Amino acid sequence: QKEVEQNSGPLSVPEGAIASLNCTYSDRVSQSFFWYRQYSGKSPELIMSIYSNGDKEDGRFTAQLNKASQYVSLLIRDSQPSDSATYLCAVTRGNNDMRFGAGTRLTVKP
Amino acid sequence: KAGVTQTPRYLIKTRGQQVTLSCSPISGHRSVSWYQQTPGQGLQFLFEYFSETQRNKGNFPGRFSGRQFSNSRSEMNVSTLELGDSALYLCASQSWSGRTGELFFGEGSRLTVL
Repeated sequence: QKEVEQNSGPLSVPEGAIASLNCTYSDRVSQSFFWYRQYSGKSPELIMSIYSNGDKEDGRFTAQLNKASQYVSLLIRDSQPSDSATYLCAVTRGNNDMRFGAGTRLTVKP
Repeated sequence: KAGVTQTPRYLIKTRGQQVTLSCSPISGHRSVSWYQQTPGQGLQFLFEYFSETQRNKGNFPGRFSGRQFSNSRSEMNVSTLELGDSALYLCASQSWSGRTGELFFGEGSRLTVL
């Protein structure tokens, strides 16, 4: 079992729709959870971090964490073509040992 | 503020050779992590250094090694290169605030092994 699992996609949504990205992790002692975005040919960049159960909103992005189910998700509202990228879920036990999922490729069609 | 700088950006080696990659973190960042990225495996954690000490290590063979200098600059070395080592090697730095923070990635060093 991989430490961090994501649906590789591709996930395709129309412009203006909600994109839902999911991630599960295997280590129950994981403490910190992150979503990174990686455009083709570029390096990953952080878009959201979440540390406690529940929802965290930042603009059009909402991260959701359920530690009991070992599940993290990212919702992108009003999706734009500029959101087309690979989204990486990352998990750490709080010791700077950050593990990434393989990423979900999102395409937003105009 | 300058970002994370990695050199070289591109390099080609042959099997059996060794390679050294360099990473200069953001000024003030003392933690440096290295990752290998391939299309099939995604981002794989190699190791993390803080104040010249390796704190964490991923599941890579001993051919992969690294070090960190007193100015926080880091190098990683791969010896006896194999075809499967062809990948993008990413370095990331972060500040230390008592909790794992944001990783700032460099543009990577793309290694091709022939």
